[in-house]
Amino acid sequence: DTGVSQDPRHKITKRGQNVTFRCDPISEHNRLYWYRQTLGQGPEFLTYFQNEAQLEKSRLLSDRFSAERPKGSFSTLEIQRTEQGDSAMYLCASSSSTSNPGANVLTFGAGSRLTVL
Amino acid sequence: GIQVEQSPPDLILQEGANSTLRCNFSDSVNNLQWFHQNPWGQLINLFYIPSGTKQNGRLSATTVATERYSLLYISSSQTTDSGVYFCAGGTYSSASKIIFGSGTRLSIRP
Repeated sequence: DTGVSQDPRHKITKRGQNVTFRCDPISEHNRLYWYRQTLGQGPEFLTYFQNEAQLEKSRLLSDRFSAERPKGSFSTLEIQRTEQGDSAMYLCASSSSTSNPGANVLTFGAGSRLTVL
Repeated sequence: GIQVEQSPPDLILQEGANSTLRCNFSDSVNNLQWFHQNPWGQLINLFYIPSGTKQNGRLSATTVATERYSLLYISSSQTTDSGVYFCAGGTYSSASKIIFGSGTRLSIRP
């Protein structure tokens, strides 16, 4: 098990461009989370999947953000028409609802750092 | 939604000192966890502790669920303990939406 993998680790883009991040969770984990973290702040919840279903989405997530988890395995987070305010670390985490029912222990990836110029 | 408050926001200690970090929740919390974020940004899960006390080496954590707070104790601190410590949890009605506090930045000086 290689843990939670995120790609790319760093992305620099110009304002107005689209970017996509990928997350590969731990293989037996059925839950997947996306968070955003800016300097000096805690991770901010964006969205949550259980298998392929997107069950929660933050009201802070604008229409420019979309996340998918098509086969209940990897997930993508796309940001359209990027703005400078989107510059942040995008973190993915996964957990299992079956190995320990009632517990939701998150394992995080190393993150994808986005810089919008 | 649930509010998570951590204190102190910053803590500077000499190597070998002990410390206590606190996390308060605005509502009854489920799935309470403590994380350490190292200087490279990696978040490591330290404890899953919805109630009671757990220990792992020099670290221990206690959650008093009825009073909506949790404490993280670090004894005999080392420079490698430096980083940001976060607590996180969800409400019982929305247990899967794990919300983080703003963290305690710990700096251990040699």
